[in-house]
Amino acid sequence: EDQVTQSPEALRLQEGESSSLNCSYTVSGLRGLFWYRQDPGKGPEFLFTLYSAGEEKEKERLKATLTKKESFLHITAPKPEDSATYLCAAVFSGGYNKLIFGAGTRLAVHP
Amino acid sequence: ETGVTQSPTHLIKTRGQQVTLRCSSQSGHNTVSWYQQALGQGPQFIFQYYREEENGRGNFPPRFSGLQFPNYSSELNVNALELDDSALYLCASSLVRGVIAGELFFGEGSRLTVL
Repeated sequence: EDQVTQSPEALRLQEGESSSLNCSYTVSGLRGLFWYRQDPGKGPEFLFTLYSAGEEKEKERLKATLTKKESFLHITAPKPEDSATYLCAAVFSGGYNKLIFGAGTRLAVHP
Repeated sequence: ETGVTQSPTHLIKTRGQQVTLRCSSQSGHNTVSWYQQALGQGPQFIFQYYREEENGRGNFPPRFSGLQFPNYSSELNVNALELDDSALYLCASSLVRGVIAGELFFGEGSRLTVL
């Protein structure tokens, strides 16, 4: 069964303290890996799409990378406004039209 | 702001009742997907509609049904509500059939509580 697993479940950082979030997925049949940000009571907001191992994408303090078995969301010098739940999702060859989401990592950045 | 609007934002129903949730897609987007997000979990795929026809369904029973209209707006209907149906229901639109070709634009969701 196609699965996406995120770790840690929750992460508390001090402002400026860089860290990484992990997303592991079922290895076979990956067609795309997505990162979303979700604020409390809101819908997910698209951040990045990665298609192949070795690919990297950046946006402000965030950088997403993809290997053959996992993806990382690196947060450099985070600010309190980066506090949110970060969701990883994948599309697999068995279901091209649906995202399979992980449970998310709740990030809290304190001043 | 994604341009995807959902209504109502919050509602409370009792077990056994029926509910209809509505979604207005971003202009020009011809594909709409619905997801269910339980508290503390990631969203789960319910189904997708493309040009008014169902285009894939997740592991949800037939009491979950949907419609897409010619203007690409959409409805999610849930019959015989159960306590476990309490969740945030998310609508997402995209420009092309399937997700691979582009990202999904999510609305802010409808929070359903079943008592």
